[in-house]
Amino acid sequence: QVQLQESGPGLVKPSGTLSLTCAVSGGSNWWSWVRQPPGKGLEWVGEISHSGGTNYNPSLKSRVTISIDKSKNQVSLRLNSMTAADTAIYYCAMNFGYWAQGALVTVSS
Amino acid sequence: QTVVTQEPSLTVSPGGTVTLTCASNTGAVTSGFSPNWFQQKPGQAPRALIYGTSSRYSWTPARFSGSLLGGRAALTLSGVQPEDEAEYYCLLSYGTAWVFGGGTKLTVL
Repeated sequence: QVQLQESGPGLVKPSGTLSLTCAVSGGSNWWSWVRQPPGKGLEWVGEISHSGGTNYNPSLKSRVTISIDKSKNQVSLRLNSMTAADTAIYYCAMNFGYWAQGALVTVSS
Repeated sequence: QTVVTQEPSLTVSPGGTVTLTCASNTGAVTSGFSPNWFQQKPGQAPRALIYGTSSRYSWTPARFSGSLLGGRAALTLSGVQPEDEAEYYCLLSYGTAWVFGGGTKLTVL
């Protein structure tokens, strides 16, 4: 059974950098990060393939990096220059079929 | 800017049938957009229902079906159950980026 688990700090200071990791299974998959501001809809952040190819949301592309560490079976998300507008639940998903429980990230000083 | 539009809200009676649609401001939605559909209940992560326009996951009840209808992606619920009350999101592929619709709040009343 596929299980995904995110980890990372729940609080980030304004102008700081968010770092989240997602423990994943191997195989020929794509892993995506999706976020959801409180009370709002879903927003695709970006994705990475098992071979390391990436695609990013054009609106976030200048601030986001997604990477994969196959030795640790981990996918990571970094989002810099955080503002209050980046406060959201961040989900990692495999092929959009399997989703982690989500990590609430709040941007506040 | 790419915009994917869904009905903000729909109401259906138990046992009834309802169709949710997903439109793109770039033109008609085709199978090339690889439409996906998700269900989200309050406090929960999204749950995948449909991928590739009309393919169900192993856990997707048969009463959920995906299709293309009048230039839009469509999700039809037949024999609606009270537990189908939720927010539903579509997701479309634009080559190197994915875009979520704004969501449809489905009320079963």
